[in-house]
Amino acid sequence: AQTVTQSQPEMSVQEAETVTLSCTYDTSENNYYLFWYKQPPSRQMILVIRQEAYKQQNATENRFSVNFQKAAKSFSLKISDSQLGDTAMYFCAGLQYYGNNRLAFGKGNQVVVIP
Amino acid sequence: AAGVIQSPRHLIKEKRETATLKCYPIPRHDTVYWYQQGPGQDPQFLISFYEKMQSDKGSIPDRFSAQQFSDYHSELNMSSLELGDSALYFCASSLGLRDEQYFGPGTRLTVT
Repeated sequence: AQTVTQSQPEMSVQEAETVTLSCTYDTSENNYYLFWYKQPPSRQMILVIRQEAYKQQNATENRFSVNFQKAAKSFSLKISDSQLGDTAMYFCAGLQYYGNNRLAFGKGNQVVVIP
Repeated sequence: AAGVIQSPRHLIKEKRETATLKCYPIPRHDTVYWYQQGPGQDPQFLISFYEKMQSDKGSIPDRFSAQQFSDYHSELNMSSLELGDSALYFCASSLGLRDEQYFGPGTRLTVT
């Protein structure tokens, strides 16, 4: 079984500032993938970034970066230089390498970028 | 780049009717997933197919069935619709079972 937990309330950030979203992922598996998906008001689910559990180096995609702490089961997303288009619900998700191939999502964090 | 295509984008049905949702994966992707997202909820996994065979099954009601065809497109058939089936239904696709899942725009189903 896998459990994804996101517990922060709605977050507001000024344009060009930095915001960090927290997520914890609990699984008995050693091999797994972690993802952050973004869901803007259009409701489209957009893949933001991916992290393999076996990699020690944290993933980075342009203004988005993660801080993966395997022992602490922590997987946070940092959005740098926030832009108005970053306003969205952000979902953390896990995928086990063995066994089922379903994404397990957290409850999501709403991010609002203020001009 | 080509994305996942879902049709229809919006669907309104009455209780006890049937609905069919279609999904066309990204070209060369061989794995298709279906998720249901209720209002204010996170997506919940329903079912997936790899190379036209069911690969995983989640909390999909017995009233629902799905399959993947020889051209890799997939259809989700929903019968005896209930008010609680109103939701956004996403299809996602990937290349193999362990790759990133790319989501389509979703089908918004409203049951009245």
